[in-house]
Amino acid sequence: EPEVTQTPSHQVTQMGQEVILRCVPISNHLYFYWYRQILGQKVEFLVSFYNNEISEKSEIFDDQFSVERPDGSNFTLKIRSTKLEDSAMYFCASRLTVSGANVLTFGAGSRLTVL
Amino acid sequence: GNSVTQMEGPVTLSEEAFLTINCTYTATGYPSLFWYVQYPGEGLQLLLKATKADDKGSNKGFEATYRKETTSFHLEKGSVQVSDSAVYFCALTLYNQGGKLIFGQGTELSVKP
Repeated sequence: EPEVTQTPSHQVTQMGQEVILRCVPISNHLYFYWYRQILGQKVEFLVSFYNNEISEKSEIFDDQFSVERPDGSNFTLKIRSTKLEDSAMYFCASRLTVSGANVLTFGAGSRLTVL
Repeated sequence: GNSVTQMEGPVTLSEEAFLTINCTYTATGYPSLFWYVQYPGEGLQLLLKATKADDKGSNKGFEATYRKETTSFHLEKGSVQVSDSAVYFCALTLYNQGGKLIFGQGTELSVKP
């Protein structure tokens, strides 16, 4: 069964450092997403991406965050200058279409720890 | 706005007990509804879904019926197993929201032998 692959599975970084989280979505999917889950809290939407541009972003997704699909297969989330409160599990997801019958497939997540 | 509310956890049950996890939603349109499960140390996996009123989603012995009149999508299982211990998330998506999922807060289930 096709799957979404995320790397790294766990990254530890110092506050103020740049972090790039990588995702390989399912190959024929067209819509891409990043979500995050702070420990013990709700899974929160960060950003959606379609046709090489951001479709929607949440208020969490400020100027410190950026996404890109540099080579047609990878989908990356960059945090320019990490803060302690960025510590969370980050999930990538992809979807073929936005039809209600079509589900998001999530990766296993990248755990980010900011010290 | 659009939102999902789940019953508070954690829920602790004995093996073979009946499970209900309540989920209600608020939506401006006609959402599709989902249950996702997160096993310890793993990512989110789709458990079941329903795309229109009165649809019943089912998988691995779990069921949920899309009730438009009560705006609910409660998750049920007749006989839980220790391996069902996980966090369960109710979620919705609307066609005009670009496929974005809105999650409930999650309900942790712990099943004891």
